[in-house]
Amino acid sequence: GENVEQHPSTLSVQEGDSAVIKCTYSDSASNYFPWYKQELGKRPQLIIDIRSNVGEKKDQRIAVTLNKTAKHFSLHITETQPEDSAVYFCAARGGTSYGKLTFGQGTILTVHP
Amino acid sequence: NAGVMQNPRHLVRRRGQEARLRCSPMKGHSHVYWYRQLPEEGLKFMVYLQKENIIDESGMPKERFSAEFPKEGPSILRIQQVVRGDSAAYFCASSLRDGEAFFGQGTRLTVV
Repeated sequence: GENVEQHPSTLSVQEGDSAVIKCTYSDSASNYFPWYKQELGKRPQLIIDIRSNVGEKKDQRIAVTLNKTAKHFSLHITETQPEDSAVYFCAARGGTSYGKLTFGQGTILTVHP
Repeated sequence: NAGVMQNPRHLVRRRGQEARLRCSPMKGHSHVYWYRQLPEEGLKFMVYLQKENIIDESGMPKERFSAEFPKEGPSILRIQQVVRGDSAAYFCASSLRDGEAFFGQGTRLTVV
């Protein structure tokens, strides 16, 4: 089945800096890659997603890039703010495990004012 | 349009009791997923259901755990004879066939 690896496990940045979180996946047939933000004690919320027919997608300060050949995708947050502090999860869906999302281990992002 | 509704939000059970967690998907969604999250860990897939069918239960423990999504009513995750190791947050998500998955608020199960 699918396996998703996420790095780094923790990331600390100063307000205004950029943050980058990287994920690799194992199933070349996976075709949907969402990113979720989870604040303490709350539900995971989708912040951006990308499908395999697209190489990059941007939404204001957040962007995701996908390299299908290398089987990795990344989340980029620019001009970080303290309220961006949370746990971020990448996920992959499709291929032989169609339907279910396989999640990475999560990245704890801390943005210092 | 209500989101994914889970209840109860918090559940305390003594060892050996049964825990029953409910999930009502978003209106129009026929795909339901259950995930378990241990403290400070990621989301581990448990089971994927469509109406009246279990599509993928590869993440479910072989014993004590079961799930259903009947034609009418919510999806139910049932844990029999709970043990302390079952204490976790259980999240349900729903989606359209190819759409994004929306998560419920979760049920935090504590086994004492």
